[in-house]
Amino acid sequence: DTEVTQTPKHLVMGMTNKKSLKCEQHMGHRAMYWYKQKAKKPPELMFVYSYEKLSINESVPSRFSPECPNSSLLNLHLHALQPEDSALYLCASSQGGLNPSEAFFGQGTRLTVV
Amino acid sequence: AQSVTQLDSQVPVFEEAPVELRCNYSSSVSVYLFWYVQYPNQGLQLLLKYLSGSTLVKGINGFEAEFNKSQTSFHLRKPSVHISDTAEYFCAVRGFQKLVFGTGTRLLVSP
Repeated sequence: DTEVTQTPKHLVMGMTNKKSLKCEQHMGHRAMYWYKQKAKKPPELMFVYSYEKLSINESVPSRFSPECPNSSLLNLHLHALQPEDSALYLCASSQGGLNPSEAFFGQGTRLTVV
Repeated sequence: AQSVTQLDSQVPVFEEAPVELRCNYSSSVSVYLFWYVQYPNQGLQLLLKYLSGSTLVKGINGFEAEFNKSQTSFHLRKPSVHISDTAEYFCAVRGFQKLVFGTGTRLLVSP
C-alpha cells in the first residue's frame, strides 16, 4: 500500500465555519507534511510532523491548526479562513529521520472559502 | 540552503517528438533530487529519483533523467511523448526535513 488518502476531496466553507482536513497513510512513514498549492504554482510547505511531533511551521497563520493523533493520521483544522486561503491542500508522507527518501502525496483537498 | 530552478515555464511539443525539461540545483551538501508530475486537479506523482549511484536514472512512463554534478543539473527526458504526458512537472531537492520544489514546467503535447 503506497497510498496517502485525503478526505474530503472537495470542501466549500464559509469564513465563520470550522472544518477539518484529514490525511491517512499506512506505509509506516514517520514524517508527514501539509502543503498548500495555488493555481499554476508549486506546492508551498505549511507544516512538517516528524515522529508525531511538529518540527516545522512555515509561519502559517493560526487559523490553520495541524494535529497528528498518531503515526498514521494527520489533520488540518480550519477556522475563520479567508477567501485567499482557497487552494489545493496536499498531504504527503515520507520515511522520516535521516533517510533521504521521496515523499508520497495524496490527491489533495480542493478548498473553496466563500 | 538547497534550491532548484526550472527555467522553462512551458514547453510545447508535438506528439512522438523527444522532450527535455530542464532543472538546475543548488546545494551545499549531499544532493537528493526528484521529478514529480501533476495532472489537473490531482496530487503529485513521483516520476523518478536520484539518491546516489548511477547518474542515469530511469523512471515511470518512459522518463529518464541524468544527474550532472559538474553542471549542477538534473534534466528530465523522454524520447517520444504522448498526448497523455500533458501535465505540470516539478523538480525537487531534499532539504532539511522537507522537499523544496521548483516553479514547475508545463508540458503541452499536441497532435
